Amino acid sequence: DAGVTQSPTHLIKTRGQQVTLRCSPISGHKSVSWYQQVLGQGPQFIFQYYEKEERGRGNFPDRFSARQFPNYSSELNVNALLLGDSALYLCASSPLDSLIRYGYTFGSGTRLTVV
Amino acid sequence: QKEVEQNSGPLSVPEGAIASLNCTYSDRGSQSFFWYRQYSGKSPELIMSIYSNGDKEDGRFTAQLNKASQYVSLLIRDSQPSDSATYLCAGGSRMTTDSWGKLQFGAGTQVVVTP
Repeated sequence: DAGVTQSPTHLIKTRGQQVTLRCSPISGHKSVSWYQQVLGQGPQFIFQYYEKEERGRGNFPDRFSARQFPNYSSELNVNALLLGDSALYLCASSPLDSLIRYGYTFGSGTRLTVV
Repeated sequence: QKEVEQNSGPLSVPEGAIASLNCTYSDRGSQSFFWYRQYSGKSPELIMSIYSNGDKEDGRFTAQLNKASQYVSLLIRDSQPSDSATYLCAGGSRMTTDSWGKLQFGAGTQVVVTP
């Protein structure tokens, strides 16, 4: 079975630009979450989606937005990029009803560099 | 105060010895806890989950949870050079209408297993 897939793997953008990151969850998983991991820190929660609805939002500015599609894939959009947005962006999926037992499975991430 | 705290390390462990990693958390609403292993430049990989007080063993790994003391630990027995990585502790929040089980991560403990 394919795991969580993310694209692109690497991305270089200029300050002020906009970026879209994509994620496909594990087959059968309806919950998708997005995390940002800055170098030297643990991942920080950005969004959670379930059945195409936002179920949680972390402490990130409105420049960050996301959506989930009927096939449960998801996109994360970041507008007006800042240097501080440079990070590894992780997508995670879960069957949700067994989250407590099994946690999230992370994709390989998208490394975003803002110059 | 960070919600999940870990010693940053590095924790140097001789090959074949036991590595002991500790984590404390402040959110008493956390229901479950997870240990992720993260190799440099890679995404986190789940190695253990625990949600009941006590010990849970899986191969060379043992997780311990003490909810009264708000303390989680991970033991790695017979440490191997391939265990050299950063270990992230994460607490899973209870599911509410605002947040469906988001994970709160510590900054991670770097483990170095020396031959």
